Amino acid sequence: KAGVTQTPRYLIKTRGQQVTLSCSPISGHRSVSWYQQTPGQGLQFLFEYFSETQRNKGNFPGRFSGRQFSNSRSEMNVSTLELGDSALYLCASSSTGYVSTEAFFGQGTRLTVV
Amino acid sequence: AQRVTQPEKLLSVFKGAPVELKCNYSYSGSPELFWYVQYSRQRLQLLLRHISRESIKGFTADLNKGETSFHLKKPFAQEEDSAMYYCALSEGQAGTALIFGKGTTLSVSS
Repeated sequence: KAGVTQTPRYLIKTRGQQVTLSCSPISGHRSVSWYQQTPGQGLQFLFEYFSETQRNKGNFPGRFSGRQFSNSRSEMNVSTLELGDSALYLCASSSTGYVSTEAFFGQGTRLTVV
Repeated sequence: AQRVTQPEKLLSVFKGAPVELKCNYSYSGSPELFWYVQYSRQRLQLLLRHISRESIKGFTADLNKGETSFHLKKPFAQEEDSAMYYCALSEGQAGTALIFGKGTTLSVSS
């Protein structure tokens, strides 16, 4: 069974640009969550989607948005990039969408904003 | 506000020594707690969750609601246990929203 796949693995963007990251969950998983990982703040929850609906959202500005498609693939978008958005973005999928169900993580997309 | 604290950034032990990775939390409801582990060049993966009350790779963790702690323990550390360990707490009624601690690097040397 293929794991959670995130593309691209690495990105370099300029301040002010926007970026879209993609996450393909494990087949059959309907819940996709996104996290930002930085050395200073650690892992922080961005948002969670289940069956194309956003159910939970973390404390991030509106520049961070996401969506989920009918095949459960998810994208997150960051507009008007700032230097502080440089981070590793992790996606996790789960079968039921309940927190007690194991979340499987992707390898992440490393975003560098210059 | 919900928060997970892992007071040690780095824990260094010798092979065969006992290990205890500390985790304290603050949460107003009934928490669900987890330990995740990231081995070198591998993905973040679930190690264990408190509701399962299981032992994985010799690790156990007991939820102590009085002390709001969920420490991870192993009686005899192995070199392959060297990794980054994250304690996490669930948030919300549904969804896989997790609040993570900042992590503790465990280094086991021979």
